[in-house]
Amino acid sequence: NAGVTQTPKFRILKIGQSMTLQCTQDMNHNYMYWYRQDPGMGLKLIYYSVGAGITDKGEVPNGYNVSRSTTEDFPLRLELAAPSQTSVYFCASSYSSVGRSNYGYTFGSGTRLTVV
Amino acid sequence: QKEVEQNSGPLSVPEGAIASLNCTYSDRGSQSFFWYRQYSGKSPELIMSIYSNGDKEDGRFTAQLNKASQYVSLLIRDSQPSDSATYLCAVNEGGGFKTIFGAGTRLFVKA
Repeated sequence: NAGVTQTPKFRILKIGQSMTLQCTQDMNHNYMYWYRQDPGMGLKLIYYSVGAGITDKGEVPNGYNVSRSTTEDFPLRLELAAPSQTSVYFCASSYSSVGRSNYGYTFGSGTRLTVV
Repeated sequence: QKEVEQNSGPLSVPEGAIASLNCTYSDRGSQSFFWYRQYSGKSPELIMSIYSNGDKEDGRFTAQLNKASQYVSLLIRDSQPSDSATYLCAVNEGGGFKTIFGAGTRLFVKA
């Protein structure tokens, strides 16, 4: 059972370049999330999805885009990379039920992105 | 803006002592509360969840929730050097799907 898998683990981008961070989970979780974590700061929500075909913005969505075509996959697209997007990116998934919207997250191992 | 506040630390305790980590939150409608442990350079790992007022124990960990005071705490008994990490308090938005994280408290357990 792999859990949440993120690729790549590290990436250096030049200003203005674009890239896609991949995230896939094999736990059949309906909810998936993208967070970024800057040094000394908490995790900030970028985008989230409550199921295939449904996505919504979080706290810091500018400069990013997502899609959710399947339950398993939730890629994050960075367009026109800027130095402010230098961060560690975490994908997470969670299970929900009728009685409770969140039983806690399972996180991927993270992608450390540097924009120069 | 809904917020989750934690003392950034570092909190230093000797091996074998009780470590007490605290968290306050602003959203009175929140119903789900979590503690995550994050080792340096690693991803957060869920260690406790609590949904009702009172205490919840799991091994050496006890989570405490007081919704009236909007306060969540984590106690770690018999602290070990391997407990040295950053502990993130997380609160689910009331009625929503999103979790708000505190900035974390760094814990050092001295051997």
